[in-house]
Amino acid sequence: GAGVSQSPSNKVTEKGKDVELRCDPISGHTALYWYRQSLGQGLEFLIYFQGNSAPDKSGLPSDRFSAERTGGSVSTLTIQRTQQEDSAVYLCASSLGGALNTIYFGEGSWLTVV
Amino acid sequence: GEDVEQSLFLSVREGDSSVINCTYTDSSSTYLYWYKQEPGAGLQLLTYIFSNMDMKQDQRLTVLLNKKDKHLSLRIADTQTGDSAIYFCAESSYGNNRLAFGKGNQVVVIP
Repeated sequence: GAGVSQSPSNKVTEKGKDVELRCDPISGHTALYWYRQSLGQGLEFLIYFQGNSAPDKSGLPSDRFSAERTGGSVSTLTIQRTQQEDSAVYLCASSLGGALNTIYFGEGSWLTVV
Repeated sequence: GEDVEQSLFLSVREGDSSVINCTYTDSSSTYLYWYKQEPGAGLQLLTYIFSNMDMKQDQRLTVLLNKKDKHLSLRIADTQTGDSAIYFCAESSYGNNRLAFGKGNQVVVIP
């Protein structure tokens, strides 16, 4: 597609349930990122995929969070046993990688845990 | 390590210039970026500057970089109501492709 596509755009879930958030990056982009933006906060890095390399998972806040990227394209971020503090906007981005790393963001998935 | 600091809020009258500031700590930064986030939307890349440059101008936007002080600024000339948004600065460095973002600076343009 023309841009980074994320789904769902909005998700309300009950505490303790699992959620999956999907990201479809820009075609040809080898790098894919997940960031989290909580209310009034900056962007918190979660995970980074680059080609076939092992992902950089150093930003995942707990073992309830995981992500995978199948076939070097679409990525899914999974949050297990959701907690209220998981409520945030989850932003996916992609880029060609490299030194000039202009990354392009999707519109985000707004997650509310009630 | 990466640490990017921004002030939080700026109010400006339509037609005036607005200046948003950012400081960073990583001396190995290669590129610095400005992103804009309008309400309910994702982040949109506005402009970027290579770390060996002092200034970059792009229409109403002027980016100034002071490498010695690790200080980055974005000047918006003739600010319009459509410029109301949160502005994030970010940096990338060699060997670290993930961008480090500041907390953002909310700009409110008063008609």
